[in-house]
Amino acid sequence: AQKVTQAQTEISVVEKEDVTLDCVYETRDTTYYLFWYKQPPSGELVFLIRRNSFDEQNEISGRYSWNFQKSTSSFNFTITASQVVDSAVYFCASYSGAGSYQLTFGKGTKLSVIP
Amino acid sequence: SAVISQKPSRDICQRGTSLTIQCQVDSQVTMMFWYRQQPGQSLTLIATANQGSEATYESGFVIDKFPISRPNLTFSTLTVSNMSPEDSSIYLCSVETQGYEQYFGPGTRLTVT
Repeated sequence: AQKVTQAQTEISVVEKEDVTLDCVYETRDTTYYLFWYKQPPSGELVFLIRRNSFDEQNEISGRYSWNFQKSTSSFNFTITASQVVDSAVYFCASYSGAGSYQLTFGKGTKLSVIP
Repeated sequence: SAVISQKPSRDICQRGTSLTIQCQVDSQVTMMFWYRQQPGQSLTLIATANQGSEATYESGFVIDKFPISRPNLTFSTLTVSNMSPEDSSIYLCSVETQGYEQYFGPGTRLTVT
């Protein structure tokens, strides 16, 4: 069974600060996929990234970057130079590649960026 | 990616009634899913709906309460039956595209009074 832990319930930062959202996963499978989603106050769930277990390369997309480390079972998400529009709840999720496509979500981290 | 729409976007319903939520995707997909997000909580999978087969329900969810239809590769419905205030949630459908990416619809905000 998959398990995803987001230990940070809420984070507040001042605009332009960098912030890292932590995600720790548990799985017995060798093939699995990790995801990050953003849920702004409007409620829709926005897909940010998918990473498979065989690709440990870090990824950067604009102000967003992701650090995948299998040694610590972590898939952390960093926002550089945060903006007010980054205020949202961020969910980390995973699923096993062994035929189960059920996403297991963490509890989410609410990020507030203060102007 | 996939563009997903849901109807209705929100509704207020009386206890004991039923509501059917529609999910439409702009491309053919094999895997469709229904999730529930209770206020201030994370997402919980209700069921997996594949075209041509019965929906597969997760523990704690039953077909009599949440019947699902999947008539084709672009459409699905979820019915919330005999509603109670505990059913007040956001209901989201999602699809899996080639490449194992999952996209979500905008959600249906349901309030049961």
